[in-house]
Amino acid sequence: EAGVTQSPTHLIKTRGQQATLRCSPISGHTSVYWYQQALGLGLQFLLWYDEGEERNRGNFPPRFSGRQFPNYSSELNVNALELEDSALYLCASTPWPGTTEAFFGQGTRLTVV
Amino acid sequence: AQSVAQPEDQVNVAEGNPLTVKCTYSVSGNPYLFWYVQYPNRGLQFLLKYITGDNLVKGSYGFEAEFNKSQTSFHLKKPSALVSDSALYFCAALPMDSSYKLIFGSGTRLLVRP
Repeated sequence: EAGVTQSPTHLIKTRGQQATLRCSPISGHTSVYWYQQALGLGLQFLLWYDEGEERNRGNFPPRFSGRQFPNYSSELNVNALELEDSALYLCASTPWPGTTEAFFGQGTRLTVV
Repeated sequence: AQSVAQPEDQVNVAEGNPLTVKCTYSVSGNPYLFWYVQYPNRGLQFLLKYITGDNLVKGSYGFEAEFNKSQTSFHLKKPSALVSDSALYFCAALPMDSSYKLIFGSGTRLLVRP
């Protein structure tokens, strides 16, 4: 069974541009979570989608947004990129909300120059 | 604010020796507790979890964790470390408040020397 897959693996953008990151959850999982792992800041919760709806968001500005598609895959969009957005963005999925362990993808390394 | 603390940035241990990576939490109610491991340029891999029951939880790769409610701790342990255990370890708590938001510690780098 395929795990959580994220694309692209690496992304280099210029300040002010937009970035789009993609995540495919494990088959049958309806909940998708996004986390940011920035150097020195640990893992910070970004967004949670379930059944196509945004259910919760962390302490991030509105230029961080996303969506979940009918097949439960998800997209994270970051507008007006800033240098401090450079980080590893991790996607995770669970079969349904509140399940025990989340399964993580390998991440997308976003570098803003 | 709810939080998870990993007081050690790095833990150094010799191969074959026991290891402990510490974690304490300040989360209301009875959160679920997890340990994840991250190898370089990789995502997080699940190691083990505590939900309820026995305070000693066994997980993958010979790791175990000890839950102590009175000390709000969930320390990761392994009786005999391997060089291949060298990685970044994260403790996390899932509050039972319907936010379904994992709260992570800052991570502890484990270095096992041959």
